Amino acid sequence: DAKTTQPTSMDCAEGRAANLPCNHSTISGNEYVYWYRQIHSQGPQYIIHGLKNNETNEMASLIITEDRKSSTLILPHATLRDTAVYYCIVRASGDSNYQLIWGAGTKLIIKP
Amino acid sequence: DTEVTQTPKHLVMGMTNKKSLKCEQHMGHRAMYWYKQKAKKPPELMFVYSYEKLSINESVPSRFSPECPNSSLLNLHLHALQPEDSALYLCASSHNTGVRLETQYFGPGTRLLVL
Repeated sequence: DAKTTQPTSMDCAEGRAANLPCNHSTISGNEYVYWYRQIHSQGPQYIIHGLKNNETNEMASLIITEDRKSSTLILPHATLRDTAVYYCIVRASGDSNYQLIWGAGTKLIIKP
Repeated sequence: DTEVTQTPKHLVMGMTNKKSLKCEQHMGHRAMYWYKQKAKKPPELMFVYSYEKLSINESVPSRFSPECPNSSLLNLHLHALQPEDSALYLCASSHNTGVRLETQYFGPGTRLLVL
């Protein structure tokens, strides 16, 4: 199973773009990259996922390198409410697709 | 409605008590999950139910007993727990666990303290 590595913590100024990196150098061809975040004392919240192509939704953008060994989650205009632990996850397709392989997470602190 | 609800929010129990955690979703999802999360750690999968049948048990001790009475409800029965079982217990659901990938939606969790 692929594993992910993330920085332990990051700061970002409010209103600026927050760029959260993730390494997943052993990812397999059928494994997706997912991002969830967990605001203090709440359940994890789905943000975005992708396989090969870059993805964008109303919350964030996901940039995946061509070799798929790393990715970056971008929050384009961070607000104080984006302060949370962000988890980069790989997820297999097929029979094991229930399995989310969680990284240790990056604690993102948005500063006024 | 993309909400998963869990009750109670907080629970304190002794090692001889029997208690239950409840989870509910009305999204028509057919897969439901229990996770355990210790402080400053990512969630760990405990059980997966698919179409109301237990499909995955991640070697969880028998003092944790899951139950899925219907497609909207998931319970976790607790008996003879240990202090090290104190954690945040999270419920999640997804459309199904078939070949097609489905996003998991999480509830707010029940914070359990075992004395």
